Amino acid sequence: EIVLTQSPGTLSLSPGERATLSCRASQSVSSNYLAWYQQKPGQAPRLLIYGASSRATGIPDRFSGSGSGTDFTLTISRLEPEDFAVYYCQQYGSSPQLTFGGGTKVEIK
Amino acid sequence: QVQLVQSGAEVKKPGASVKVSCKASGYTFTSYGISWVRQAPGQGLEWMGWISAYNGNTNYVQKLQGRVTMTTDTSTSTAYMELRSLRSDDTAVYYCARYSSGWYPIDYWGQGTLVTVSS
Repeated sequence: EIVLTQSPGTLSLSPGERATLSCRASQSVSSNYLAWYQQKPGQAPRLLIYGASSRATGIPDRFSGSGSGTDFTLTISRLEPEDFAVYYCQQYGSSPQLTFGGGTKVEIK
Repeated sequence: QVQLVQSGAEVKKPGASVKVSCKASGYTFTSYGISWVRQAPGQGLEWMGWISAYNGNTNYVQKLQGRVTMTTDTSTSTAYMELRSLRSDDTAVYYCARYSSGWYPIDYWGQGTLVTVSS
């Protein structure tokens, strides 16, 4: 089983700042099948990024993903008020076995 | 539009079973699978397993093997997740989610079903 470790656990930033979230895998993610999700309180997760770097439909271009192999990054170029949430990475390269990272909370400083 | 509508909240006693339903609409049900994901209060997301709506093949996370069963009813485009021998640490919001088991990840989610296990 691939274990995903996200860091930091919490990121305290102000609107307009840049957010950089990390996701490290215990072994290489096949075909870079790594996704990022955003979750707000009381809501289901929303797909942001798939294939490590492709934005899902309707996702603003301030969200970008990068990385390959075992190290992946989600960057939010300029935080908007609606971006404060919890973010999860997920690998689907060992499909249909999926795993999620523990999450990074982006909170208002 | 794609929708996954889940059954309502449940309260169960330890040792009981729960069966959550997930009715799909807006797409060809048998062209995708359904993953089940749970989230304990204040915790992260935990993948539970997957079922192909095409042929019924399943894949469960090791820790739930023997306690969980996922099924589908293609005549009603509904997926089901049954969890048996419930314990207090099974208290969580349970989500169904559409997943093709290919190059694209989970893309649509149900609204979640809160299952509370308490004596």
